[in-house]
Amino acid sequence: DAGITQSPRYKITETGRQVTLMCHQTWSHSYMFWYRQDLGHGLRLIYYSAAADITDKGEVPDGYVVSRSKTENFPLTLESATRSQTSVYFCASKGRGLEAFFGQGTRLTVV
Amino acid sequence: EDQVTQSPEALRLQEGESSSLNCSYTVSGLRGLFWYRQDPGKGPEFLFTLYSAGEEKEKERLKATLTKKESFLHITAPKPEDSATYLCAVGNMNYGGATNKLIFGTGTLLAVQP
Repeated sequence: DAGITQSPRYKITETGRQVTLMCHQTWSHSYMFWYRQDLGHGLRLIYYSAAADITDKGEVPDGYVVSRSKTENFPLTLESATRSQTSVYFCASKGRGLEAFFGQGTRLTVV
Repeated sequence: EDQVTQSPEALRLQEGESSSLNCSYTVSGLRGLFWYRQDPGKGPEFLFTLYSAGEEKEKERLKATLTKKESFLHITAPKPEDSATYLCAVGNMNYGGATNKLIFGTGTLLAVQP
């Protein structure tokens, strides 16, 4: 089915480890986004990409790295995970319209 | 500073009891106001885009309206399946251009009891 999929759905990792969250969309949308959702903060933008090989920082980029070698994929890497990065991560994509469409999320726990 | 505030934080309704959720915003240049529904353990599901003050949109029991300072999501005769968190977001034409990076509120948790 067409849409946006994230993997894994759940991940537990240890402090200091590198972890990569995957995002894949089948709509050929140009724009892709990574958000994190925490109680009391709502959804906050980490990084976004306007097209393949074009990425830029959002509101809370520190500790995260992204890449976009193909239009359909937008992985998010935590280079050295910290407990403060425990959160639910959402990937989203946007086509020509203004609205963004979200994946099902990845719940990440850093212990 | 761009800001989106939703109220109430939580709302409990009886089935059939109509009500409204509020989203007040301050943004330097509005480029769309968006309503999403989020079920537990799932990603936000797009509901509506409102572009300018005075605009209204409807979908089943939901109706969204927009003024220059706030938006309302009216729920008419709600059913238990309408229970979810409703998120409001705004796009700022001066922030992100065509990318339209969104600024989200913290949501209203709606519970509809049978």
